[in-house]
Amino acid sequence: DAGITQSPRHKVTETGTPVTLRCHQTENHRYMYWYRQDPGHGLRLIHYSYGVKDTDKGEVSDGYSVSRSKTEDFLLTLESATSSQTSVYFCAIGGTGVNYGYTFGSGTRLTVV
Amino acid sequence: AQSVSQHNHHVILSEAASLELGCNYSYGGTVNLFWYVQYPGQHLQLLLKYFSGDPLVKGIKGFEAEFIKSKFSFNLRKPSVQWSDTAEYFCAGDSGGYQKVTFGTGTKLQVIP
Repeated sequence: DAGITQSPRHKVTETGTPVTLRCHQTENHRYMYWYRQDPGHGLRLIHYSYGVKDTDKGEVSDGYSVSRSKTEDFLLTLESATSSQTSVYFCAIGGTGVNYGYTFGSGTRLTVV
Repeated sequence: AQSVSQHNHHVILSEAASLELGCNYSYGGTVNLFWYVQYPGQHLQLLLKYFSGDPLVKGIKGFEAEFIKSKFSFNLRKPSVQWSDTAEYFCAGDSGGYQKVTFGTGTKLQVIP
């Protein structure tokens, strides 16, 4: 959807290397989220943010960190990539009022070899 | 813990057949419920959402869902499916606050022409 972009779209990295995924929004939404999608697990929340420098852990946060220094950018870092972190990563922004609900980015397919 | 469950993992229908996908939630108190669709190779898109009021919610592309509080259910329905409805469908819910949404594991729908 227009208004939220993820980069890169695809990445292959080696075990043990750090990786940073970027989510950028132009909607000025307060809430941003990182999910991973794996077969049989649906989407699982990694970290979320409710404002600049305000972040919190989700249900599968081990091995991941996030930063939000500006409203529009939410970065997800895999501190030392492992094969179990091979997944599709989706960023989402949360609307309010009549726009309550998520808008998702196009995803990043990450392969750790 | 708050959760959303989808018991149908894979559904195969012929075109023009009626569809009902099950979703149960375990939230107490206030609950917001959603259905998202993910077409092959794409990101999730919002189909419909329920916050309060009329328990029968109509969404895009002819989909509707009914919130039945006594059964903790929010089933998705469509009277006549098309080949283009082939996708994975995710039920999701939250209890307000920071909009931390929990997703079900998804139901893959395959519509045969």
